[in-house]
Amino acid sequence: GQNIDQPTEMTATEGAIVQINCTYQTSGFNGLFWYQQHAGEAPTFLSYNVLDGLEEKGRFSSFLSRSKGYSYLLLKELQMKDSASYLCAVSGGYNKLIFGAGTRLAVHP
Amino acid sequence: NAGVTQTPKFRILKIGQSMTLQCTQDMNHNYMYWYRQDPGMGLKLIYYSVGAGITDKGEVPNGYNVSRSTTEDFPLRLELAAPSQTSVYFCASILASSYNEQFFGPGTRLTVL
Repeated sequence: GQNIDQPTEMTATEGAIVQINCTYQTSGFNGLFWYQQHAGEAPTFLSYNVLDGLEEKGRFSSFLSRSKGYSYLLLKELQMKDSASYLCAVSGGYNKLIFGAGTRLAVHP
Repeated sequence: NAGVTQTPKFRILKIGQSMTLQCTQDMNHNYMYWYRQDPGMGLKLIYYSVGAGITDKGEVPNGYNVSRSTTEDFPLRLELAAPSQTSVYFCASILASSYNEQFFGPGTRLTVL
């Protein structure tokens, strides 16, 4: 079966660091994506990992361990505008995406 | 480039009515996808296409049909609308040779009453 798990909700303080975890069990794997989605909007791309290790992009970093079926998204220097849902998705054949339910992050002052 | 465009933005249907959700991309992407997103949930794949004339089912295809007569357009058809199809529908596309992100349209919010 296909299963992607991530926490439902998280809260954090402006300026802090937050880590959103994602575990997956899928029949195929062509990479793992993280998307950000603000309420009422389309998902926007944050990061892509296909090899084990850490990918850094400004305030955002993403880590992948294929042997453990595990990824995390790290957000540093949190800003109020980072309040959004964060979607973990695994890419399979024909680049089809299987999404987790998403993690709603609330950043407060 | 306009990217991925979807029409309409909003629609209310009565049970049993039919409609077509339009999706167009101008990036010459060969792979296109339809997803639905229910409140508080992630996206689920309805149908996808790897090129003109080629379509296949995703995770939740029941109640929907698609066609792909051109590279640019990938319409999604609901034949007999049901309340369970109340959702936000996103179209996405990608160039097959690229293992990068799918580009998403702005979505169509559909309510079936």
